[in-house]
Amino acid sequence: ETGVTQTPRHLVMGMTNKKSLKCEQHLGHNAMYWYKQSAKKPLELMFVYNFKEQTENNSVPSRFSPECPNSSHLFLHLHTLQPEDSALYLCASSQDVGGVHEQYFGPGTRLTVT
Amino acid sequence: AQTVTQSQPEMSVQEAETVTLSCTYDTSESNYYLFWYKQPPSRQMILVIRQEAYKQQNATENRFSVNFQKAAKSFSLKISDSQLGDTAMYFCAFMKHRYSGGGADGLTFGKGTHLIIQP
Repeated sequence: ETGVTQTPRHLVMGMTNKKSLKCEQHLGHNAMYWYKQSAKKPLELMFVYNFKEQTENNSVPSRFSPECPNSSHLFLHLHTLQPEDSALYLCASSQDVGGVHEQYFGPGTRLTVT
Repeated sequence: AQTVTQSQPEMSVQEAETVTLSCTYDTSESNYYLFWYKQPPSRQMILVIRQEAYKQQNATENRFSVNFQKAAKSFSLKISDSQLGDTAMYFCAFMKHRYSGGGADGLTFGKGTHLIIQP
């Protein structure tokens, strides 16, 4: 595997379910991100992790719970979601060196909440 | 807070033509980075080109170039000799500058421009 991978690629869940999205980066980066991409809206930054520590929570509802056990893995735990949470969830990673932190994205998880 | 505005929701050009996508932004930061990302139908977000705000020279990557006007807070993308594979959503994005070890920062994106290359 190379780059940034995300599983599952598609997920359908009911409002009472609990599920998790997984992201893994194979680039040796030390920062990871979750973004939400909804129709008709710009990509929204949700969470930032740097060296496994959460450095930003962009006013995300508590029904989204991130976890970063190490610099290569990032999870997004989901519970009691709402239909408006249906979106494409993108994971990205970058290396915190020398100024420009180019972010490399995974293919995304298409989430549908029914 | 930063904002990024892309005023063209959709553009369509013929193959081999040159097309320019516009982007304006607003920030109080003096040092920052600007990016253009491409998202084809596969949904994979791909970095096209980046520009450091402290550099006056416009960035170029093969057929892709930018016109960076710092005073006007404008950052347009020019695609020369457009190809069918250039059909995609194009997003302009902003990031604050962080010194090495200063932590990571998220990107602020515009709403995107849907570019269609016609055969």
